[in-house]
Amino acid sequence: GQSLEQPSEVTAVEGAIVQINCTYQTSGFYGLSWYQQHDGGAPTFLSYNALDGLEETGRFSSFLSRSDSYGYLLLQELQMKDSASYFCAVRERGGFKTIFGAGTRLFVKA
Amino acid sequence: NAGVTQTPKFRVLKTGQSMTLLCAQDMNHEYMYWYRQDPGMGLRLIHYSVGEGTTAKGEVPDGYNVSRLKKQNFLLGLESAAPSQTSVYFCASSLPGAQGETQYFGPGTRLLVL
Repeated sequence: GQSLEQPSEVTAVEGAIVQINCTYQTSGFYGLSWYQQHDGGAPTFLSYNALDGLEETGRFSSFLSRSDSYGYLLLQELQMKDSASYFCAVRERGGFKTIFGAGTRLFVKA
Repeated sequence: NAGVTQTPKFRVLKTGQSMTLLCAQDMNHEYMYWYRQDPGMGLRLIHYSVGEGTTAKGEVPDGYNVSRLKKQNFLLGLESAAPSQTSVYFCASSLPGAQGETQYFGPGTRLLVL
């Protein structure tokens, strides 16, 4: 089966940089996705890594290393509005099922 | 362009009652999904559909049925609700293939089964 592991909580200060890690066990997948979810809201897509390396989208960057079965989401210049849950996800190769991690709750302090 | 919408937003059921959750998308997406989200467990796939008239089971399909009679709609049914089905239900849609990595989610339906 497939599984993804993330830290349950991370706390950081406004203006700082934070990294949220995701390690996975899977037999094969297309790429690693990241979603953000605010309390009471719906998940929204942040980024996707099909290939190893770093993808940058504004203040957010995401990294994938297939050889290490590891990825991370990097948030720079943290803002209070970044306080939310962040989920990594993979879609199994040859299929349609997407598996989500349990999520990392990010608390941004003033 | 409303994106993905879900009806109802909130519902309380008694054990044994039935209900249908409706999901609609106006993005002409082929793929649609139903997830449930429970505290500390992330999103778990219940059923999915890769096109009109087709459905398939996900991770946790027991106790649920689905139908995709029209491309834009994906219905989730609970025939006999149980307290274990208390959860937040999200519908999502995506394009096929590699573009399917980006899923668009509806606002969710909060279901309480007493």
